[in-house]
Amino acid sequence: EAGVVQSPRYKIIEKKQPVAFWCNPISGHNTLYWYRQNLGQGPELLIRYENEEAVDDSQLPKDRFSAERLKGVDSTLKIQPAELGDSAVYLCASSLESGQSYGYTFGSGTRLTVV
Amino acid sequence: AQSVTQLGSHVSVSEGALVLLRCNYSSSVPPYLFWYVQYPNQGLQLLLKYTSAATLVKGINGFEAEFKKSETSFHLTKPSAHMRDAAEYFCAVSVNNNDMRFGAGTRLTVKP
Repeated sequence: EAGVVQSPRYKIIEKKQPVAFWCNPISGHNTLYWYRQNLGQGPELLIRYENEEAVDDSQLPKDRFSAERLKGVDSTLKIQPAELGDSAVYLCASSLESGQSYGYTFGSGTRLTVV
Repeated sequence: AQSVTQLGSHVSVSEGALVLLRCNYSSSVPPYLFWYVQYPNQGLQLLLKYTSAATLVKGINGFEAEFKKSETSFHLTKPSAHMRDAAEYFCAVSVNNNDMRFGAGTRLTVKP
């Protein structure tokens, strides 16, 4: 089966420009996560979806970040406007359902560079 | 809130030597614990997980980890390192709220 698919793999933009990342989770996985991984650090949760509902977005910087998962399948994460400090790898993950015993399946990530 | 601490940001071993990557956790309730591996320019791949069953957990690629409640540890080991094991390894903890927290990672280098 296909894994978690993310696009694009790499993105370079100038500061103050908008950017969007796309994620298609594993088929049948109801829970979807967006993480941000800064250089030399572990991933940090930005938002968690249960189907189309954002059930945990407490770590999402809402002034410039937004996300959607309209049909409970694929998801988009947007930054507008981007800042230099947003340079990071953005990882999408999915799990069968909300349950910490399953573990997550991660995509390959989108490496964002803001210049 | 739960958290993990990975001791040693870099570990270097010779090929064929024992691999030991250290992870200590903090949690007010029984945790679920995970080890993930990340190869360059790739996402994280689950190596193994502890979910309150057997305390010694075997994972993929010959890795295993032992949950020690008295030491709040979940160290990752492999008896004999291979060149292909060179990667970044992340320990993670999760409890009831489904919020998985990752450590800062340990970069494993394997010398020929």
